Amino acid sequence: DTGVSQDPRHKITKRGQNVTFRCDPISEHNRLYWYRQTLGQGPEFLTYFQNEAQLEKSRLLSDRFSAERPKGSFSTLEIQRTEQGDSAMYLCASSFTTGVGEQYFGPGTRLTVT
Amino acid sequence: QKEVEQNSGPLSVPEGAIASLNCTYSDRVSQSFFWYRQYSGKSPELIMSIYSNGDKEDGRFTAQLNKASQYVSLLIRDSQPSDSATYLCAVQTGANNLFFGTGTRLTVIP
Repeated sequence: DTGVSQDPRHKITKRGQNVTFRCDPISEHNRLYWYRQTLGQGPEFLTYFQNEAQLEKSRLLSDRFSAERPKGSFSTLEIQRTEQGDSAMYLCASSFTTGVGEQYFGPGTRLTVT
Repeated sequence: QKEVEQNSGPLSVPEGAIASLNCTYSDRVSQSFFWYRQYSGKSPELIMSIYSNGDKEDGRFTAQLNKASQYVSLLIRDSQPSDSATYLCAVQTGANNLFFGTGTRLTVIP
């Protein structure tokens, strides 16, 4: 049974650069979520997809952030013109549409903006 | 504003004792409740889900839900050093995303 995978696991970038993260959900899951977690805080919702449709975005998500899930399988999260405040763990989760929708997280991508 | 509150701890218990973790939430229409365990530097791992008032047991873990009091708890029986982690309470309403508390750090002392 393959869980949620994320790539890369770590990313160090300079302020102003663009970065892109990838998430591969559990294969049977058609919902995919992105969260961000900073030290000492719980994960904070960013956006979610059902199949290829992006159904909700957090109001906290700035215009520099964009996410896609082109074929309803893997998803990418891009951050343009990174800022030091973007340094965080970016978490992807997936779930079934039916049932209670328990969300299972991937290992995360730790972003450090210098 | 949906809020989920947890005592940040740290909570220290001796090995073999019962650890009790508590969580309150503000949105009365919340429907589903989850406990995640997160080891330092790792991602959250789902350990319990509960949807109805009452208790739900799974091995050494028991989740308790009281919707009238907007309160959910997690009991860990026979605590082990490997249970030392941060425990995150998460709440789901009609929307599909989860709202998390800041977590309670648990230390089990051998």
